[in-house]
Amino acid sequence: EAGVTQFPSHSVIEKGQTVTLRCDPISGHDNLYWYRRVMGKEIKFLLHFVKESKQDESGMPNNRFLAERTGGTYSTLKVQPAELEDSGVYFCASSSRTSGIYNEQFFGPGTRLTVL
Amino acid sequence: QKEVEQNSGPLSVPEGAIASLNCTYSDRGSQSFFWYRQYSGKSPELIMFIYSNGDKEDGRFTAQLNKASQYVSLLIRDSQPSDSATYLCAVNLFSGGYNKLIFGAGTRLAVHP
Repeated sequence: EAGVTQFPSHSVIEKGQTVTLRCDPISGHDNLYWYRRVMGKEIKFLLHFVKESKQDESGMPNNRFLAERTGGTYSTLKVQPAELEDSGVYFCASSSRTSGIYNEQFFGPGTRLTVL
Repeated sequence: QKEVEQNSGPLSVPEGAIASLNCTYSDRGSQSFFWYRQYSGKSPELIMFIYSNGDKEDGRFTAQLNKASQYVSLLIRDSQPSDSATYLCAVNLFSGGYNKLIFGAGTRLAVHP
């Protein structure tokens, strides 16, 4: 069974440009999460999809970030326009369970975003 | 106060020793707790989760939970150099019917031969 995959693995862009990150969850997992780790800080929750619906966007930093999951399969996270403070590693995770305490989340390798 | 606190380390232990990694959390309503291992530049890998007070063993790993003290730990027996990594403690925050993980900053473990 393939794990969570993310593309690209690295992205270097200039301030003001747009970047789109992609995540493919484990097949059959309805729950997809985006997290971010900025330099020296802990991994922080951004948002949670159940199938194609956004269930919790409480961690999204601002309206420059747009996440979509059309069709309930893969997800994209677009940053437009990118700012310096957006640099970090963006992780995607998926889970088969929507609620309850047995919420094992499996992480992808992350996309390292550098904004110059 | 951070929601999940870990000592950043590095924690240095000799090969074959027991490594003890600790984590405290602030939300007394938290119900489940996860330990992830992350090698440099790689994805966090789920090692164990625990939700009942006491110990849970899986091979060389033992997770311990004390909800009264809001404390969770991970013991690694017979530590190997390949165990050298950053260990992330995560607490499942169940809010509004849905889950999200709250992470600590991680403890870097170095196992030396």
